[in-house]
Amino acid sequence: GAVVSQHPSRVICKSGTSVKIECRSLDFQATTMFWYRQFPKKSLMLMATSNEGSKATYEQGVEKDKFLINHASLTLSTLTVTSAHPEDSSFYICSAVGTSGWYTDTQYFGPGTRLTVL
Amino acid sequence: TQLLEQSPQFLSIQEGENLTVYCNSSSVFSSLQWYRQEPGEGPVLLVTVVTGGEVKKLKRLTFQFGDARKDSSLHITAAQTGDTGLYLCAGQMSGSEKLVFGKGTKLTVNP
Repeated sequence: GAVVSQHPSRVICKSGTSVKIECRSLDFQATTMFWYRQFPKKSLMLMATSNEGSKATYEQGVEKDKFLINHASLTLSTLTVTSAHPEDSSFYICSAVGTSGWYTDTQYFGPGTRLTVL
Repeated sequence: TQLLEQSPQFLSIQEGENLTVYCNSSSVFSSLQWYRQEPGEGPVLLVTVVTGGEVKKLKRLTFQFGDARKDSSLHITAAQTGDTGLYLCAGQMSGSEKLVFGKGTKLTVNP
């Protein structure tokens, strides 16, 4: 149980284009999902908290117009990197917290998406 | 200022040796979690500790939560090459769903 998937696992795009990353909780419902960014050999940096049916809450220093988050259902959150630039290249990881039972109070992480902007 | 100080940042040992990784904070956490991450993958939860003084064992891994719930340690006995990876501690404060991550410990176990 507690499987979180991300799609795509890797994406390469040209500078100026937009990229959408999906995060799905496969066997549980999640009212809250988190988006992290991780640089090589570094720890995870929280970008934003995504709540189903409401606007995402962004951490200080994260541009909400640059990183668009949509939590459309209890099993899906998307992160769109708009007008991507090489400095946006990173490993993006999502996590999900379950709504009830066994899956509450614990963040389960997806496998990550490697974004490379040329 | 790093809320959760994790040490050491890098550790390279021989197979069979023991090691301890520490996470320290001046803040109190309602729970603390340890994750292991392989390159190119997401973190995988190893354990969650919630009670001050709690000790949990997972095969050769022993996790301890400090009495005041401000610090935690991970001890690995007789390390194996398969233990190689990035170990992350993450604390959750009361009333918040957010996790505060330590900087991680990159462990390399050499054959």
